[in-house]
Amino acid sequence: NAGVTQTPKFRVLKTGQSMTLLCAQDMNHEYMYWYRQDPGMGLRLIHYSVGEGTTAKGEVPDGYNVSRLKKQNFLLGLESAAPSQTSVYFCASSSRQGGGYTFGSGTRLTVV
Amino acid sequence: LAKTTQPISMDSYEGQEVNITCSHNNIATNDYITWYQQFPSQGPRFIIQGYKTKVTNEVASLFIPADRKSSTLSLPRVSLSDTAVYYCLVGDRGTGGFKTIFGAGTRLFVKA
Repeated sequence: NAGVTQTPKFRVLKTGQSMTLLCAQDMNHEYMYWYRQDPGMGLRLIHYSVGEGTTAKGEVPDGYNVSRLKKQNFLLGLESAAPSQTSVYFCASSSRQGGGYTFGSGTRLTVV
Repeated sequence: LAKTTQPISMDSYEGQEVNITCSHNNIATNDYITWYQQFPSQGPRFIIQGYKTKVTNEVASLFIPADRKSSTLSLPRVSLSDTAVYYCLVGDRGTGGFKTIFGAGTRLFVKA
């Protein structure tokens, strides 16, 4: 039982480049989320999804786009990376029935 | 959206019981209280969730008074490996609130 899997684990981008972070969950969870965490700070919600084909903005959505074409996958895209997007990105999922979030192990992104 | 307040940091020694209190004065009737643990370079991990009175599992207890305006996470006989950041969240049982703000959490340092 893998839970939530994030790929890649590490990435270095040049300013202006684009990339997609992939999140996959095998728990049949309805809800999925993308968070970013900067050094010494808590997690901030970027975007979330309440079901296949739906997405919504969180606290810090600017500069990011998401898609959820399949229930088990939630993609986070950076169209034109900026140094301010250097962070650790966490994906999470949860069930409508409770039990809290299950997080992935994170993607450490550096934009130079 | 219920806001939570926690101490920034706490120190303890191995073998002691640690109690971390979280204030959530604006908790709504349908809100649950959920606690997470985060180690460096890892995603947060669900510890315990409750609605009222007391909940206990294999790793912690959660005490919630009748007015539900606060909650206390109790870690029995902590060890060095319990050094981590602990987050208190309030919101829907399944999601913790779609715009949940994790905040900075409580940094627990366990000393030998």
